[in-house]
Amino acid sequence: GAVVSQHPSRVICKSGTSVKIECRSLDFQATTMFWYRQFPKQSLMLMATSNEGSKATYEQGVEKDKFLINHASLTLSTLTVTSAHPEDSSFYICSASGSGTYQETQYFGPGTRLLVL
Amino acid sequence: QKEVEQDPGPLSVPEGAIVSLNCTYSNSAFQYFMWYRQYSRKGPELLMYTYSSGNKEDGRFTAQVDKSSKYISLFIRDSQPSDSATYLCAMSAIQGAQKLVFGQGTRLTINP
Repeated sequence: GAVVSQHPSRVICKSGTSVKIECRSLDFQATTMFWYRQFPKQSLMLMATSNEGSKATYEQGVEKDKFLINHASLTLSTLTVTSAHPEDSSFYICSASGSGTYQETQYFGPGTRLLVL
Repeated sequence: QKEVEQDPGPLSVPEGAIVSLNCTYSNSAFQYFMWYRQYSRKGPELLMYTYSSGNKEDGRFTAQVDKSSKYISLFIRDSQPSDSATYLCAMSAIQGAQKLVFGQGTRLTINP
């Protein structure tokens, strides 16, 4: 149980384009989803928290107009990096938590590696 | 001072050794403690979850929490090359997978 998937696993795009990353909980309903980014050899940095049907809460220093988060259903959240630039290149990881047993902690997806040229 | 301190390593030990990984923290409100394992270019995988002080054992893994010292540990017995990964401690004050505070992660290599 508690499987979270992400798509795509890897994406390369040109500077100025937008990229959408999907995060899905496959076997439980995710009432809360989290988006992180991770630079090489560093820990996870929380970007934002989203609850199903509500606007995301962004961490300090994260531009909400650049990193658009949508959590439209209990199994899907999307992160759109708008007008991507090379400094946005990173490893983006989502996590999810639900109710009952699934509320104790966060279950992570496999991550999406973004490279902006 | 960071809320959670974890030695980034790298830590290299021979196969079969007992591995000890540790984190210290400063926020006395933390009550829920987790250890995640992250292989290169993959998302973190939950290994152990503990509440408050005490020990928890799962196969070759043992998690210890000492709230009085604000110190948590993960022990790996009979370490295997497949245990080579980065180990992240994480903690929170509130149950319900609210905002987790992560350590930096310790890179562990088990040498055959």
